[in-house]
Amino acid sequence: QKEVEQDPGPLSVPEGAIVSLNCTYSNSAFQYFMWYRQYSRKGPELLMYTYSSGNKEDGRFTAQVDKSSKYISLFIRDSQPSDSATYLCAMRGYQKVTFGIGTKLQVIP
Amino acid sequence: EAGVAQSPRYKIIEKRQSVAFWCNPISGHATLYWYQQILGQGPKLLIQFQNNGVVDDSQLPKDRFSAERLKGVDSTLKIQPAKLEDSAVYLCASSLSGQGTDTQYFGPGTRLTVL
Repeated sequence: QKEVEQDPGPLSVPEGAIVSLNCTYSNSAFQYFMWYRQYSRKGPELLMYTYSSGNKEDGRFTAQVDKSSKYISLFIRDSQPSDSATYLCAMRGYQKVTFGIGTKLQVIP
Repeated sequence: EAGVAQSPRYKIIEKRQSVAFWCNPISGHATLYWYQQILGQGPKLLIQFQNNGVVDDSQLPKDRFSAERLKGVDSTLKIQPAKLEDSAVYLCASSLSGQGTDTQYFGPGTRLTVL
């Protein structure tokens, strides 16, 4: 079993839709949870991080962590074509960060 | 603030050849990471430096890969000899401390094709 599981997609949605992206994990040592966005031929960039169960909101993005279920989510409201990218979940225990394989999202105008 | 710089951006070599990648992290960042990202997969940590010391190299194929960060600033990653399965994007990242909520900043990557 992989430490971090993420559906690779692709996920295609119309502009303005609410997008839900998810990851599950098996390692109870993970304390910090992150979402990265990666555009084609670019390095990943950090979107959001959290270290506790619950929700964290930043503009159109909401990160949700459920440690009891070992499940994290990223919601994108009012999705835009510029949101088209691969979204990687990432988790850290003490030092090393473990990434999911990424979900490819396409927002269609 | 300048970002993480990497060179070259693209490299094509034949199997059994050697190749080297260079990374210059954000100024003042103590921690430097090299990741391998195979097409369709997430980045996999190869090696993590704290200043010029190695923190984690458990996933580095040491029979062919080597990395150094001699002065605690820039770093090089070398593959010798290269195999077909080494075709990937090699990402360098840096962060202030390497712990907790410390943010990693990634460079654009070097895309390696091994023929």
